[in-house]
Amino acid sequence: QQQVKQSPQSLIVQKGGIPIINCAYENTAFDYFPWYQQFPGKGPALLIAIRPDVSEKKEGRFTISFNKSAKQFSLHIMDSQPGDSATYFCAAKLMGNQFYFGTGTSLTVIP
Amino acid sequence: GAGVSQSPRYKVAKRGQDVALRCDPISGHVSLFWYQQALGQGPEFLTYFQNEAQLDKSGLPSDRFFAERPEGSVSTLKIQRTQQEDSAVYLCASSSRLGTGNEQFFGPGTRLTVL
Repeated sequence: QQQVKQSPQSLIVQKGGIPIINCAYENTAFDYFPWYQQFPGKGPALLIAIRPDVSEKKEGRFTISFNKSAKQFSLHIMDSQPGDSATYFCAAKLMGNQFYFGTGTSLTVIP
Repeated sequence: GAGVSQSPRYKVAKRGQDVALRCDPISGHVSLFWYQQALGQGPEFLTYFQNEAQLDKSGLPSDRFFAERPEGSVSTLKIQRTQQEDSAVYLCASSSRLGTGNEQFFGPGTRLTVL
């Protein structure tokens, strides 16, 4: 079964908007939660990551919000730009380095 | 230095053929991962190496899939008797350290199409 559930499947926002992508998990043994950005024909690239003992992390225009009790985490992209148009994946890691990825969100930022 | 490289970038195989996919990790990276990414899906874990030791192969979908990293650097993922359901992008990633939460650097992937 899908260990990490991601929504929405696709998202369209205007330039300057704040797209929000959500992920949920069940396994409380996950200890690291990264977000990846993938452009067509490329491998995923790490954007930002958080550990479960932190409720929020911000790096540049990207923010992760983490709700441990609800077992949910989300990515917010501030002041979105057309260059942010890509597919975004959340992931969760178990000890032993096994990563589980969400199904991806295709983001389109309209100029 | 150079990032993770994979070859070939594209592979077309007839059903029943064997294929070998190569991954060159970032020099000095200890950990190496293989993932399978179906169209429109997220990467799915296949196997993990720490140096030359294959520590986890629980994601390999069948005994037709085999991975090796004999000298702790380059890795090869081999698929025997390919089937149409093996068609996917195969991603390799490496990371520099042991332990939790280390950044994985992904290669561009090999797109395998089985006819």
